[in-house]
This record gives sequence, C-alpha cells and structure tokens, in this order.
Amino acid sequence: SQQGEEDPQALSIQEGENATMNCSYKTSINNLQWYRQNSGRGLVHLILIRSNEREKHSGRLRVTLDTSKKSSSLLITASRAADTASYFCAHDRGSTLGRLYFGRGTQLTVWP
Amino acid sequence: DVKVTQSSRYLVKRTGEKVFLECVQDMDHENMFWYRQDPGLGLRLIYFSYDVKMKEKGDIPEGYSVSREKKERFSLILESASTNQTSMYLCASTRRLAGGREKQFFGPGTRLTVL
Repeated sequence: SQQGEEDPQALSIQEGENATMNCSYKTSINNLQWYRQNSGRGLVHLILIRSNEREKHSGRLRVTLDTSKKSSSLLITASRAADTASYFCAHDRGSTLGRLYFGRGTQLTVWP
Repeated sequence: DVKVTQSSRYLVKRTGEKVFLECVQDMDHENMFWYRQDPGLGLRLIYFSYDVKMKEKGDIPEGYSVSREKKERFSLILESASTNQTSMYLCASTRRLAGGREKQFFGPGTRLTVL
C-alpha cells in the first residue's frame, strides 16, 4: 500500500495548547493535502502544500513538508474544543488523475 | 461552493440484496471517487471515474461495481451485499488539473449496515 501514515493515532490536549500531527509517505509526490473529519461526517479540505514548498500557513494551521524525509506535519496553534476531529493527510503519488492516497488519520481531542 | 450529495445518510440492508449508493456533484467535476472508511483502516478507494463511462479500480474493488452515465452522478453498486460490506461510504469529486493539485470535495457519507 502507498498510503500515508499519520502519527500519533490519537492526541489529547487542553484548549490553548498546540497540536502537532505528523504524516509519512513512501513515494514521490506532486502535492500533499490535509483534511479534517468531524465525527460521522465527510472530510473537509484544510490545506495543500506542493512538493516544491517547505511551509504553508492558513489561519491557525501550519503545514511543513520535507520531501527528503518524505514527511509532513500539521500544527494547530492555540487549539479550541471545536478543533476536535480526525485529521488525515493525503498525497497523490505523482498521479495526474486526481487520485489521492489517504492515511489512517489522527484523532485529536481538545478538552475545554 | 461545491456540493456533493449522497442519496442516504443511513441505510440498512439484508445479506444478498442489491444495493445502490448514489452520489451527485453540482460543479461539473471530471473526477469522482468512492471510498469506504472503517475504524483503524482510514479511507480506502473502491473505484474512481475520470470521465463519463470511464472507471478505474481502486484498492478494494471486489464485491463492488460502479456506473457513471452522466458527469454529475457516480453510483456504487453492491451486487449482493454481505455483512463485511457494513461500513461508512464516502463519495468525493474534484476537477482534473495538471499535477493533481485540486482538492477533493466530499459528501456527508452513507453509513451502510448489512444484516
């Protein structure tokens, strides 16, 4: 399988703390994306980082990409209870058809 | 905003029944995908389609078929449902851009239970 792998599988923090999730993959990529899923719902796209980018920001989200290590991280700063969700990374393995390979996800719980 | 709708949020079927899951998107996207999601296994691709009447197998196509007669609609068919097909089914769509840069838009999911 060329799925990505998230680490940790589960993360539990207090409101106001930062949450860091990591993702590793095995192949070359064009881009890597992060998605969020609230319990029992569909996934929502958060951020996309291209293979020639090293860091990207969007609000309280910061994504880094290290193609030499085939890894990415998602940092959520000043977390809120509403950030409680599962977070998935997905990469394209160089596909031009738009297919993505998803990891198993990190379940983030933010306690008030 | 793109809207991806799925025909049912919850569905209960019996073993051996033929099951149709429908997905419709309203933004003229070329690509459409069917995933199943199981605890601890993440999202696994069943089938995808990059154009009308075109389909490609994903990682777990066994026991499933698909149909894409119109660009906006992608159907997943379980020819003879089995209990191991109890799962959450997610549909997604995306435009097709060079380099695969486009994000996927997901429907709300269908939780299928096969008794």
